[in-house]
Amino acid sequence: TQLLEQSPQFLSIQEGENLTVYCNSSSVFSSLQWYRQEPGEGPVLLVTVVTGGEVKKLKRLTFQFGDARKDSSLHITAAQPGDTGLYLCAGAGYKLTFGKGTLLTVNP
Amino acid sequence: NAGVTQTPKFQVLKTGQSMTLQCAQDMNHEYMSWYRQDPGMGLRLIHYSVGAGITDQGEVPNGYNVSRSTTEDFPLRLLSAAPSQTSVYFCASSYKGRGLGGYTFGSGTRLTVV
Repeated sequence: TQLLEQSPQFLSIQEGENLTVYCNSSSVFSSLQWYRQEPGEGPVLLVTVVTGGEVKKLKRLTFQFGDARKDSSLHITAAQPGDTGLYLCAGAGYKLTFGKGTLLTVNP
Repeated sequence: NAGVTQTPKFQVLKTGQSMTLQCAQDMNHEYMSWYRQDPGMGLRLIHYSVGAGITDQGEVPNGYNVSRSTTEDFPLRLLSAAPSQTSVYFCASSYKGRGLGGYTFGSGTRLTVV
């Protein structure tokens, strides 16, 4: 079983701060996806990274896929209260293998 | 465009009862899967399907059955509900191609077994 470890598990910051969350595995993934989940809803896809070393930007969010395709990070610049949610990484394929997530709270 | 529709949104069962959680998608997705989400455990795969007529077990399949008679529908059956099956259940679907396009999730079914 491929395992994904996410850190930190909880993160509480003030509006305007920067943050990084991490997703690590001992296994190689052909692709990795990041999702955000809000209370009472299902996860929503943010990005898919496929190539080792790949960097993708989505407004204030920057995603990196490690060179060896075993790890990934999500960096948020100038966090806003609307960024609050559970951030999940998942190894992708015909099924998803999820990490346990990082619960982010951005305080006004 | 409805996406992935799950019914019911909430359900309370007594121990030993059976029920079916419904999942339907209108995007002609080949891949469909069921997850349960529990505090501190993340999302765990119960069963998945790569196409009509094809299903397989995930990480936590015991106590659940699935079938995929059509591309659109992927119901999850609880055979004899137990308190350990109290959870939030999510259905998800994706195009073929190793899921690179990302999965679309339903809004979940919150199940309580008393």
